[in-house]
Amino acid sequence: EVVLTQSPATLSLSPGERATLSCRASQSVSSYLTWYQQKPGQAPRLLIYSASNRATGIPARFSGSGSGTDFTLTISSLEPEDFAVYYCHQRNNWPQTFGQGTRLEIK
Amino acid sequence: EVQLVESGGGLVQPGGSLRLSCAASGFTFSTYWMSWVRQAPGKGLEWVASINQGGSEKYYVDSVKGRSTISRDNAKNSLYLEVNSLRAEDTAVYYCASRGYETWGQGTLVTVSS
Repeated sequence: EVVLTQSPATLSLSPGERATLSCRASQSVSSYLTWYQQKPGQAPRLLIYSASNRATGIPARFSGSGSGTDFTLTISSLEPEDFAVYYCHQRNNWPQTFGQGTRLEIK
Repeated sequence: EVQLVESGGGLVQPGGSLRLSCAASGFTFSTYWMSWVRQAPGKGLEWVASINQGGSEKYYVDSVKGRSTISRDNAKNSLYLEVNSLRAEDTAVYYCASRGYETWGQGTLVTVSS
């Protein structure tokens, strides 16, 4: 099973700041890495697929990079609505797995 | 409008069974893989199972393998998950997802408790 480790567990930043979230895989997942945003009481929302492609309707301040085992989600300038929990997810190997999440909170 | 709507959740006693349903609309259901993902209260996301377009390929997380069955009815645009021998640790919101995980339902809560 591919283990995805997200860091940090919690990130405290202010609106307007840049956020950098990391996801590390225990073995290569090629570029089959997806990022989601989840707010309380809501279903996850797809942000980035195939490591670096923004999903439909996702603002340009969200970007993804990486391949193999190391991936990064960057939010260039935080908006108030960006404070949420973020998950990475791999579909390269069965079983599919999710990271444990990074909570992005307002400082 | 592209939509997934889950149903079938509720309170179940340990050892019991449940069949979850997911009704799809607004897209060509038969052309997409479908998946179930669950989230225990206050916890992260856990992939549970996936099924290919024709239903010939099915994959499960180890914790439900052998006591769960994912299935689909393309004529009814519906996805199903049957879980047997339910345990307390199966308590979660169960989401169905499709279109490369771009589309998610609102989730249905399964509570396993006596």
